[in-house]
Amino acid sequence: GNSVTQMEGPVTLSEEAFLTINCTYTATGYPSLFWYVQYPGEGLQLLLKATKADDKGSNKGFEATYRKETTSFHLEKGSVQVSDSAVYFCALSDGGNTGNQFYFGTGTSLTVIP
Amino acid sequence: ETGVTQSPTHLIKTRGQQVTLRCSSQSGHNTVSWYQQALGQGPQFIFQYYREEKNGRGNFPPRFSGLQFPNYSSELNVNALELDDSALYLCASSLDTSPYGYTFGSGTRLTVV
Repeated sequence: GNSVTQMEGPVTLSEEAFLTINCTYTATGYPSLFWYVQYPGEGLQLLLKATKADDKGSNKGFEATYRKETTSFHLEKGSVQVSDSAVYFCALSDGGNTGNQFYFGTGTSLTVIP
Repeated sequence: ETGVTQSPTHLIKTRGQQVTLRCSSQSGHNTVSWYQQALGQGPQFIFQYYREEKNGRGNFPPRFSGLQFPNYSSELNVNALELDDSALYLCASSLDTSPYGYTFGSGTRLTVV
């Protein structure tokens, strides 16, 4: 079946530090991979996505590369800001067998301190 | 362009009661998906509606039901509430069941006591 495993938090970093949040997946087909971000009291917002192996998704300084050989989609940012404090979810979509549903990881809480 | 609106934002119910949660989809979107997010967990898929027809269901019991209206808004109904139903319920709309371009609402926080 489909599942996503992501690095447990919480993660606390100083401003301008390097961020990595690990994410690995199990999928029966050729999924699309996503990172979503959830700010306090809000719903999920798409951060970036990749639709096939070796694709790199990027947005707002965040990057993640779809690695089929290691079944991974790690999130990275070179220099975090206080405004990046949020919960980050890795997710996959399997393309339609069950209504194009997302399978989410458990989330990683990031706090950036000045 | 309006986003996804969910109501109510917070709700407290007693075990055994029934609840209806509502979702207005983003303008131009014809697909609505519902997710349950327990505290400290990732969202879990409940079901999806596409043009008023159910288009997939997750591993939830039959007491979780829903529907989609001609204007593509949607309801999630939960009967015989249990304490474990306490969670944030998220609605997301999209165009033609595509996983790209999902817009999530801010959710309804349901507490069952």
